[in-house]
Order: sequence, then C-alpha cells, then structure tokens
Amino acid sequence: EVQLLESGGGLVQPGGSLRLSCVASAFIETFSSYGMSWVRQAPGKGLEWVSLFHDDNAIYYADSVKGRFAISRDNSKNTLFLQMNSLRVDDTAVYYCTRGRGDHWGQGILVTVSS
Amino acid sequence: DVVMTQSPLSLPVTLGQPASISCRSSQSLVFSDGDTYLNWFHQRPGQSPRRLIYKVSNRDSGVPDRFSGSGSGTDFTLKISRVEAEDVGIYYCMHSIQWPWTFGQGTKVEIK
Repeated sequence: EVQLLESGGGLVQPGGSLRLSCVASAFIETFSSYGMSWVRQAPGKGLEWVSLFHDDNAIYYADSVKGRFAISRDNSKNTLFLQMNSLRVDDTAVYYCTRGRGDHWGQGILVTVSS
Repeated sequence: DVVMTQSPLSLPVTLGQPASISCRSSQSLVFSDGDTYLNWFHQRPGQSPRRLIYKVSNRDSGVPDRFSGSGSGTDFTLKISRVEAEDVGIYYCMHSIQWPWTFGQGTKVEIK
C-alpha cells in the first residue's frame, strides 16, 4: 500500500523558515518516475496546489509562494521536500504531500505562522 | 489561469437518493495528447482528500461504482447514484492540464 508521511511542520514566527519532508513507501523502486507535489489547505478553506516537481523534472510554484518556497527531492531516500522561507501568516495551513495528479495523499502536516 | 467553478456549493441530500455536482472550467481541459485532465476528489471532515475520478470518468481503485463522472471540454458532472452516509463531506473538481493546477471551490454534501 502506497504511503506518504509528512513531517517538519509546527509553529513559526512570521519571516521564519521551515522545511517539510515527505517519505514515500510501497513504490520505492519507481519513486523517481513520479511527479510529486505539495498541496495546502488553510483553516476552513479549500485546496491550493502549491508546488509540483514534475516527472520530467520541471518545477512549478503557485504565484503565492514563488520566490519563497523551494521544492526538491532525494530519490535515493524516496523523499520529497519543501523549504519554506519568509513565511507569512497566510501560509498557515495543513500541507499535504501528493503523488502524480493526486492519486495518493499523505495525512497532512500543520504549519502555523504566528507571532 | 484556468478557473474551476462548481455548483451547487451546498448540497443537502436524502440517503438512498441520487446527487449531482457540476464543474465548469474557464477553458477546455483537453490536452494535446487527446486526454481530458479533470479529476474529482472527496474530503471527509478531518481527513485528507481522496481522489475518486481521474480523466473525467475513470474511477480510482476501491471507489464504489455508485460514483460516476462524465462531461467533456469545459462541462463536467460527478454523480452519486444512491447517497450513503459515508458520502458526506466536500467534493472538489480539479484540472491538471497546465500550471497552475487548480481546484473548484468545493461542494459540501450533507444528509438532510
């Protein structure tokens, strides 16, 4: 069974940084062939696709995070990362790791930006 | 950006009765490969989203056959043939034809 496990969330002050990780299991041998993404959901709000590491290695960001967030992956460790810098209050959300076009999702990790 | 518009945003349903959600995109979701990249997701309260339907009408593994997707171009529909209690939650349509991939606002389904 495919599993995606996020970690690295927590409480941070505005302007601070956090690094999220997502470890994949059950598709270890093919992890590198999949596009992987981060999707977030602010409290009580809808879903926003934040960043995509496409299977052709192209990288995309939502305008709301461009220049502040950086997605990366370590295929040898089946891990996806999201480095979040210059965090703002409106970055507060549950961040989900997803595979491909959303066929599998992690349980989500809460990021709270507050002073 | 492609804008996804769902209706209704709230849908009270009766157990055992059908339900239908509409999704419209601001431009065609037909990709150059001929496929149409329109997905449907369901999110129960306090849970992660789960994909139900991909490429308009293909059910994901384990999705009950009471769920069906249809449509083409810019107009799409998710139908539940007979609503069950576990179907409550929010349903989202989403496109992945070009970046940014975007979701509809969500349709909240609740039991009358």
